[in-house]
Amino acid sequence: DAGVIQSPRHEVTEMGQEVTLRCKPISGHNSLFWYRQTMMRGLELLIYFNNNVPIDDSGMPEDRFSAKMPNASFSTLKIQPSEPRDSAVYFCASSPLGPSNQPQHFGDGTRLSIL
Amino acid sequence: GESVEQHPSTLSVQEGDSAVIKCTYSDSASNYFPWYKQELGKRPQLIIDIRSNVGEKKDQRIAVTLNKTAKHFSLHITETQPEDSAVYFCAASKNYGGSQGNLIFGKGTKLSVKP
Repeated sequence: DAGVIQSPRHEVTEMGQEVTLRCKPISGHNSLFWYRQTMMRGLELLIYFNNNVPIDDSGMPEDRFSAKMPNASFSTLKIQPSEPRDSAVYFCASSPLGPSNQPQHFGDGTRLSIL
Repeated sequence: GESVEQHPSTLSVQEGDSAVIKCTYSDSASNYFPWYKQELGKRPQLIIDIRSNVGEKKDQRIAVTLNKTAKHFSLHITETQPEDSAVYFCAASKNYGGSQGNLIFGKGTKLSVKP
């Protein structure tokens, strides 16, 4: 099992640029979660999908953030335009979907630095 | 809104001693409580979880207890080793519409095990 795969692992870009983060969930997992981690705010849920449908996007900080899941094996998180305060580690996680909550498995994260 | 409080924020123990981390959740409908270990620069990794129909669960040196009435759950690590040094996160989740819900994370506990 390859686990959750995120790309890129590191991204450094200038303020105002568009940033796209990518995630491939574990095969067979139908729930996908995007988190942001900073020292100040800890682990925050941004958005999650069940069966490719966004369920809760209340954690998305602003309209500059958007997420899509066009199919069961791929999701993107886009920031446009990016700002220095968006600098953080962004994690994607996936889990099986069932009537009861299932363990979430995290990817290695994308370390984003906005200059 | 839903919240999870975690204490202490830092914990230092001698190798061989026990470590206890405590969490309190706000939503009485929460029914799933995982614990994650995150080493520096790495992804959070699930180490143990417990569901609301169980009061205690053990896996070798790690145990978790749940008190639904008080809305408390705790992680116990016995015979600590230097490799247990990491940040530990508790989380709580409930079902959403009969299916998977999102995790609410505590702020984390930085555990240091001194040789």
